[in-house]
Amino acid sequence: KAGVTQTPRYLIKTRGQQVTLSCSPISGHRSVSWYQQTPGQGLQFLFEYFSETQRNKGNFPGRFSGRQFSNSRSEMNVSTLELGDSALYLCASSLRADSNEKLFFGSGTQLSVL
Amino acid sequence: KNEVEQSPQNLTAQEGEFITINCSYSVGISALHWLQQHPGGGIVSLFMLSSGKKKHGRLIATINIQEKHSSLHITASHPRDSAVYICAVRPFYGGATNKLIFGTGTLLAVQP
Repeated sequence: KAGVTQTPRYLIKTRGQQVTLSCSPISGHRSVSWYQQTPGQGLQFLFEYFSETQRNKGNFPGRFSGRQFSNSRSEMNVSTLELGDSALYLCASSLRADSNEKLFFGSGTQLSVL
Repeated sequence: KNEVEQSPQNLTAQEGEFITINCSYSVGISALHWLQQHPGGGIVSLFMLSSGKKKHGRLIATINIQEKHSSLHITASHPRDSAVYICAVRPFYGGATNKLIFGTGTLLAVQP
């Protein structure tokens, strides 16, 4: 069974641009969550989707948005990029996000903003 | 003060040693995850706990809900165990969610 797939693996953008990251969950998983990892702040929750609906959102500005498609694939978008958006963006999937489920993480997208 | 605290931040051990990493949290939780991250970024979920103790190979995870504390133990450590170990809690929001709060991680280096 294929794991969680994130594309692209690496991305270089300049300030002011926008970026779209993609996450394909494990087949059958309907919950997709996104996290940002930086050396200064560590891992932080961005948002999560279940059956195409955003269920929770972390404490990030409105420049960060996402969506989930009917096949459970998810995208996140960051508009008007800032230097501080440079980070590793990780997505994870689970069946339903019940409290007894493990999370399966993708390898992440390393975003560098110049 | 962070809601999830890990100790130690850095740990160097000799191959074969018994290792303990601690996690304390200040919020009510429905579950706690222990995660492993190797250089390059990929994260693997080692354990998901809501009570008691779990064991997988040389790894053991325990949780005390009353004391809001969890430990990850590695027996007979090996250089391939070298990684960052991250504790993450799922606060009790009253519903299904993967809105986690993460500890800052413990960087473990096991020397041969």
